[in-house]
Amino acid sequence: KQEVTQIPAALSVPEGENLVLNCSFTDSAIYNLQWFRQDPGKGLTSLLLIQSSQREQTSGRLNASLDKSSGRSTLYIAASQPGDSATYLCAVIYAGNNRKLIWGLGTSLAVNP
Amino acid sequence: NAGVTQTPKFQVLKTGQSMTLQCAQDMNHNSMYWYRQDPGMGLRLIYYSASEGTTDKGEVPNGYNVSRLNKREFSLRLESAAPSQTSVYFCASSHGTGSLPDTQYFGPGTRLTVL
Repeated sequence: KQEVTQIPAALSVPEGENLVLNCSFTDSAIYNLQWFRQDPGKGLTSLLLIQSSQREQTSGRLNASLDKSSGRSTLYIAASQPGDSATYLCAVIYAGNNRKLIWGLGTSLAVNP
Repeated sequence: NAGVTQTPKFQVLKTGQSMTLQCAQDMNHNSMYWYRQDPGMGLRLIYYSASEGTTDKGEVPNGYNVSRLNKREFSLRLESAAPSQTSVYFCASSHGTGSLPDTQYFGPGTRLTVL
């Protein structure tokens, strides 16, 4: 079964810390992997999209890597801020399942001032 | 640009009632999607529309119908609501052109409670 798993489910860190969120997927045949952010009671915001042929993508303090052979992606957040507090979701489009995102359950991040 | 808009934001229904959730996007996107989000289950795709005039079932289509009214609008209808349909519903859209799937843009969600 094609699944996406995120660990840890929750994370609490002090402000300024660099942190890594993990996402694993069960099949290396993917079209792309996306990281989203969800604030409480709100919709989802796309952060980064990594195509199957890419190894990483960067946006500001965020860096996402993709290792298809191991079925893993990491989202690195540098110099975390209280405004980074949110749930971070990983989603994968598997080959042969075009345009259908398979979602992880997310990591709930709290950055404490 | 408003992006993806959804109405209503909140709704309470009684079992057996019907309602339609509205979604519109102003980004000239070809593809649109309906998801539901439940605690411990993650987001699950209900229906999607790859382009105007087409709709396809997702992972959990039972109990729902959709209409792609035009390129901008994609509605989700519950004909006879059940408590199991209590959830947060998200609409999303994407360019949907080319061979590679692309970024999806989400609306703010509709929080539905069925009593």
